[in-house]
Amino acid sequence: QKEVEQDPGPLSVPEGAIVSLNCTYSNSAFQYFMWYRQYSRKGPELLMYTYSSGNKEDGRFTAQVDKSSKYISLFIRDSQPSDSATYLCAMPGGYNKLIFGAGTRLAVHP
Amino acid sequence: KAGVTQTPRYLIKTRGQQVTLSCSPISGHRSVSWYQQTPGQGLQFLFEYFSETQRNKGNFPGRFSGRQFSNSRSEMNVSTLELGDSALYLCASSLGGFGTGELFFGEGSRLTVL
Repeated sequence: QKEVEQDPGPLSVPEGAIVSLNCTYSNSAFQYFMWYRQYSRKGPELLMYTYSSGNKEDGRFTAQVDKSSKYISLFIRDSQPSDSATYLCAMPGGYNKLIFGAGTRLAVHP
Repeated sequence: KAGVTQTPRYLIKTRGQQVTLSCSPISGHRSVSWYQQTPGQGLQFLFEYFSETQRNKGNFPGRFSGRQFSNSRSEMNVSTLELGDSALYLCASSLGGFGTGELFFGEGSRLTVL
């Protein structure tokens, strides 16, 4: 069993839809959680960074953490074609070591 | 502020050869980490260097090695290439210190092994 599980998709939604992306993890020692976004032929870039259980909002993006269920989510409101990318959840595994989920490929069509 | 620069961006090698990839971190960043990205295994951690010292290493064979120079630039080397080494190799830099801060990734070096 992988430490971080993420459905690779692909996920295709119409513009304006609410998107829900999810990851589960097995290591209860993880204290903070990250979401990275990776456009085609680019490196990943940090999107959201959360320390604790609950919600964190940044514009159209909301990150949610449920430590009791070992479940994290990223919601995208009013999705745009420019949101089309691969979204990767990540958790820390030591000095600048991130353990990534498989990544969910999202396509938002006009 | 310049981002993380990786060279070369694309390269093709044959089995048995070796390859060296280079990474220049963001100015002021002292930590450089390397990741391998493949369709089957996703993003996997290779190793991390801080002030020329390897602090962390992933589960890769000894054919994969790296080093960091005093100016924080880093190189990784893969010897005796195998077909399965075909991947996007990503370098990430951060300020360093303890724990895991925000990592800034380069655009990667895409290696194809024939």
